[in-house]
Amino acid sequence: ETGVTQTPRHLVMGMTNKKSLKCEQHLGHNAMYWYKQSAKKPLELMFVYNFKEQTENNSVPSRFSPECPNSSHLFLHLHTLQPEDSALYLCASSQDERDNEQFFGPGTRLTVL
Amino acid sequence: QKEVEQDPGPLSVPEGAIVSLNCTYSNSAFQYFMWYRQYSRKGPELLMYTYSSGNKEDGRFTAQVDKSSKYISLFIRDSQPSDSATYLCAMSGPGGGSYIPTFGRGTSLIVHP
Repeated sequence: ETGVTQTPRHLVMGMTNKKSLKCEQHLGHNAMYWYKQSAKKPLELMFVYNFKEQTENNSVPSRFSPECPNSSHLFLHLHTLQPEDSALYLCASSQDERDNEQFFGPGTRLTVL
Repeated sequence: QKEVEQDPGPLSVPEGAIVSLNCTYSNSAFQYFMWYRQYSRKGPELLMYTYSSGNKEDGRFTAQVDKSSKYISLFIRDSQPSDSATYLCAMSGPGGGSYIPTFGRGTSLIVHP
C-alpha cells in the first residue's frame, strides 16, 4: 500500500451506533489530520496530530473522538451522531504540521440515518 | 466575509478551451498558495504550490498569485475531458499554527468532448 489509505470507504450508521474510521499513511509523515467535507462547503479541519500529540481541536463536538496511537495511524471514533454529520471524512498527512503540502486519503463517505 | 471565496460552478467548457479558475481571500498573512484537484469519489491531490506572488507553470497548468489584490488563479491550457474534477484552492500563512491551509469550497469543472 502506498500513500494514505482509509477504511471503510462507505459507512451507514444509525444515530445510536458506535463506529470507527481508520486512516493509515505509508509516507513516513509525522502530522495527520481529519477533515469533514460537506457538499458545496469548504473543507472543515477537525483535528490535527503532530508526532502523536493532538495540537488542534477545531471546536468539534464530543461525539467525534480522535485517537492517534502512532504517527502512521489515526482513528476517528463516532458515537451518537446526528444526520447532519453525514459527509465525506478525509484523512490527510504531511511531513509535520509546519508543512503546507498535505496528502489526502480517498475519504470515508458517512451516512447517518 | 469568508476567508477564502471560490465560485462553486459548475464551469462547463469544450475540450481544448483555456480554463481560468479563481479564488479571492481576505487574510493578508497568507503566503503559501495551493491548488488541489479532486476527482469524484477520491480525496484531493496537490496540483500546484506557490509561495508569495508570481507565476508558476507545470505543463498545461499555470498558477498565478497577486497578493496586492488578494487574488489567485489557476489556468489550464488545452483542457481535456480528464481535467473534469473539482478544483480547490488553499492557502496558509507563515507560522503560529497558520501553516494549516484554509480551503475554498471548490469549483466543479466539466470539460466536454
